[in-house]
Amino acid sequence: KAGVTQTPRYLIKTRGQQVTLSCSPISGHRSVSWYQQTPGQGLQFLFEYFSETQRNKGNFPGRFSGRQFSNSRSEMNVSTLELGDSALYLCASSPTGEVNRGQYFGPGTRLTVT
Amino acid sequence: DAKTTQPTSMDCAEGRAANLPCNHSTISGNEYVYWYRQIHSQGPQYIIHGLKNNETNEMASLIITEDRKSSTLILPHATLRDTAVYYCIVRPMNSGGYQKVTFGTGTKLQVIP
Repeated sequence: KAGVTQTPRYLIKTRGQQVTLSCSPISGHRSVSWYQQTPGQGLQFLFEYFSETQRNKGNFPGRFSGRQFSNSRSEMNVSTLELGDSALYLCASSPTGEVNRGQYFGPGTRLTVT
Repeated sequence: DAKTTQPTSMDCAEGRAANLPCNHSTISGNEYVYWYRQIHSQGPQYIIHGLKNNETNEMASLIITEDRKSSTLILPHATLRDTAVYYCIVRPMNSGGYQKVTFGTGTKLQVIP
C-alpha cells in the first residue's frame, strides 16, 4: 500500500495570505489527524477527522480549519497567515477510529511564512 | 491527557542496547503507552505500544513498570540509523475513536560509531 501522502511538500507564503494543505491517507484508513511541529513547541495536535466529521480539536485559533472528503482525503486551511505559523504540518492516518498499531504519518508540508 | 516526561537527549554506542526512559505518572487505567520516533525531516514512525505487559516486536522492546507510571523503550542493538528523536506518548484506546494525542519534545538519541 502507498503511504500517507501530503502536498505540497514545501510552501512559501506571505503574512496575511491563506493556505490549503492536502493529505491523502493510506487506502482504507478513515481517520486523519493533523499536527503542527515547530522547534519551540514540538509536535502539537491540531484536529482529527473521521468519516468527514471533526471529532477532536486541539488548542489552535479559528484560523486553522480542516475538512475531510468522502474518500477520506483531508485538507487543512490556515487563513490570515502569521509568521508564527511557519512550521512542519504533519498528517497521520489510522485504519478505523482506533489506533491499534499507531498512526501512520506522512512526510509533512514545510510552510514558511515571510 | 496524561503527560509524559523524557530526557532531552541521550547517547548510545553503536551495537549496544539503547534504553530510553519515559515517565507517565498520571497515566489512567485505560491509557496505552506508545512510542514513535522521528528521523530528521521525516514524519514520525510508530515503533511499539503496550498497556501493562512488556511487549516486543521486530524493532524494539517495551518494558512497563508494574504501577505503569514509567516505561523504557529498548533498542537491543543500536545502529547509526536509529539516531532520531523518540517520543513517548499516552492515549486512551477504544474510547469512541478519541484520537487526541499529546507529543512532548521527546528524547534525541544519538548513536555514536
